[in-house]
Amino acid sequence: GAGVSQSPSNKVTEKGKDVELRCDPISGHTALYWYRQSLGQGLEFLIYFQGNSAPDKSGLPSDRFSAERTGGSVSTLTIQRTQQEDSAVYLCASSRVITYNEQFFGPGTRLTVL
Amino acid sequence: KQEVTQIPAALSVPEGENLVLNCSFTDSAIYNLQWFRQDPGKGLTSLLLIQSSQREQTSGRLNASLDKSSGRSTLYIAASQPGDSATYLCAVKDNRAEKLVFGKGTKLTVNP
Repeated sequence: GAGVSQSPSNKVTEKGKDVELRCDPISGHTALYWYRQSLGQGLEFLIYFQGNSAPDKSGLPSDRFSAERTGGSVSTLTIQRTQQEDSAVYLCASSRVITYNEQFFGPGTRLTVL
Repeated sequence: KQEVTQIPAALSVPEGENLVLNCSFTDSAIYNLQWFRQDPGKGLTSLLLIQSSQREQTSGRLNASLDKSSGRSTLYIAASQPGDSATYLCAVKDNRAEKLVFGKGTKLTVNP
């Protein structure tokens, strides 16, 4: 079946602009996760959704970052007033249910802020 | 705070060799541990998931073991091939949060 998909695959933007990153999880997966991978920092957790609710937003680095999920499916990560330090690969993952289940990752969106 | 360490950071071996990648974690109160593979410029591919009640999992030439009490996991790759060249990441889910906590990975190069 189809895996996790993300769009765009690459995004180049100017400092100060807003960007939206999209994630389509595996059909039927109730849990959705966002991570960020940057040089020197490794993979860090940003936020996760159970259905449309986000019980844990602790990884969001600042209030410029927000995310939503609608219909228990597609999720959008929005970064407002982008900064150069936001440059990274943003990865989305989904799992059938939370806690015990395997997380499956998408190909990521590479964000470059000039 | 859970911390995950992977040793070595990089490993280069000749084709056909059996090898072991190591992962250690500081808090043994985990739900599960997952091994991933990442090819350059790509996302993560899940290789094996070990629940906290399990000691090992096998998939083809891969075998992952878990010693929760000592905070260690190993990924054993048998008869390595050039196509195994990638970065291997270990991640744990502990019982305080739903997130995965990742190590920084081991970059494996298998030379023909």
